[in-house]
Amino acid sequence: SQKIEQNSEALNIQEGKTATLTCNYTNYSPAYLQWYRQDPGRGPVFLLLIRENEKEKRKERLKVTFDTTLKQSLFHITASQPADSATYLCALVWYGGSQGNLIFGKGTKLSVKP
Amino acid sequence: DVKVTQSSRYLVKRTGEKVFLECVQDMDHENMFWYRQDPGLGLRLIYFSYDVKMKEKGDIPEGYSVSREKKERFSLILESASTNQTSMYLCASTPPSGRRGETQYFGPGTRLLVL
Repeated sequence: SQKIEQNSEALNIQEGKTATLTCNYTNYSPAYLQWYRQDPGRGPVFLLLIRENEKEKRKERLKVTFDTTLKQSLFHITASQPADSATYLCALVWYGGSQGNLIFGKGTKLSVKP
Repeated sequence: DVKVTQSSRYLVKRTGEKVFLECVQDMDHENMFWYRQDPGLGLRLIYFSYDVKMKEKGDIPEGYSVSREKKERFSLILESASTNQTSMYLCASTPPSGRRGETQYFGPGTRLLVL
C-alpha cells in the first residue's frame, strides 16, 4: 500500500532562517504532491501543488521540490517569521482508478522563534 | 473565495447518542469528504461523495454513515457515538473535476467529545 512520511514531528528554527520540511513516499509514483498549512484548531489550508513532471515550484517565500528518484518532496520557507509557525501537511495523490487516491502525511509542526 | 462551513465548532455528546455533523460548501463543488484527525494518526478519510446521493467508503468508515441529499451539503452521522469517536472532524470539498486528488478546501473543523 502507498505510504507517506513526514520525517519530523517538530522543527524549531530561528527567525530569518530557512525552514526545510521533508515528505517521503513509498510504492506508487504520485501524480502530484500538495502541501497544506494547518493552524491549531483550524482546518488545513492549501499552499502549493507540484506535479510529477515538475522539479520545483515557488510561491513568494515558499518553494517545493519533487524528486521522483528519491521519492521525496522538500518544502522550504525562506526568511522564516514567527507567523509561519504552524503544522505543515503534505498530501500525495496518485491515480489507480476513476476517482484517484489521496493520503495525507501526519504533519510537521514548525516553530519559528524570534 | 471557496467557503466550507461546518455546523458546530465544538460538540459534547454522550455514549450511544446519534450525532449529526453538517458541512456546507458554497462553490458548487461536486466532491465532498469527511476526515477525522487524531494526534499521531494524522488525517484519515471516513467517507467521500462525488455526487448527490452518491457515497464511497474511505479508510475508516466503521461506525459512521453519510448523507448527501443536496450538492452543497454533506452530513456525517455517528449512529451510536462511542468514546473512541472523540476527535476533530474535518469536512473538505474539491472543484468539479471528478477526481479525488484535486486541491482540498477544508472547513474549520468540529471538535467532538464523546463522554
